[in-house]
Amino acid sequence: AQTVTQSQPEMSVQEAETVTLSCTYDTSESDYYLFWYKQPPSRQMILVIRQEAYKQQNATENRFSVNFQKAAKSFSLKISDSQLGDAAMYFCARPTSYGKLTFGQGTILTVHP
Amino acid sequence: KAGVTQTPRYLIKTRGQQVTLSCSPISGHRSVSWYQQTPGQGLQFLFEYFSETQRNKGNFPGRFSGRQFSNSRSEMNVSTLELGDSALYLCASTQGGREINTEAFFGQGTRLTVV
Repeated sequence: AQTVTQSQPEMSVQEAETVTLSCTYDTSESDYYLFWYKQPPSRQMILVIRQEAYKQQNATENRFSVNFQKAAKSFSLKISDSQLGDAAMYFCARPTSYGKLTFGQGTILTVHP
Repeated sequence: KAGVTQTPRYLIKTRGQQVTLSCSPISGHRSVSWYQQTPGQGLQFLFEYFSETQRNKGNFPGRFSGRQFSNSRSEMNVSTLELGDSALYLCASTQGGREINTEAFFGQGTRLTVV
């Protein structure tokens, strides 16, 4: 089954602190992409970070980084120095066929000042 | 470069009516996908169009249909609306082609309310 699972419906973090959002997935493929998307109250889905499975190095984009464990099929997102603007719903996703992203259930992140 | 544009942003329709949503992809992108987002079901894939052809589809009834024009703009139509069709409808575009591992760029969505 081509599933993506986010086991944390909600997370909270203090401003300037670090938070990690979890994601696991199922696949029999060896080469694939993984994404984290952010959906703020404005509703537009914004790409946060991308990981290519064949790359050993974990992807990093400014304050956002991933911990990609290919054997464990785990793909977590770490947000460092959290800001109020990071508050949003975060989705882990994987392309599973033409034009189709399979998404996790989402994690609502609250940032406390 | 302009992003993905969806119109309208909000719609209120009555049960039994039909509705058409529009999506203009990023210039140069040839693939357009549609998703339905609801609190209960999350994000569900409706279908994908590439070069004016439906290339992939999800598990939705035939009341949900779409098309793509030669300029890659896409429309989605829902006929005989039901209360359960109330949702945020998201459109995403990618460059398309034979590679499935590409980044998708999303529009701001159309919020459909069926009363």
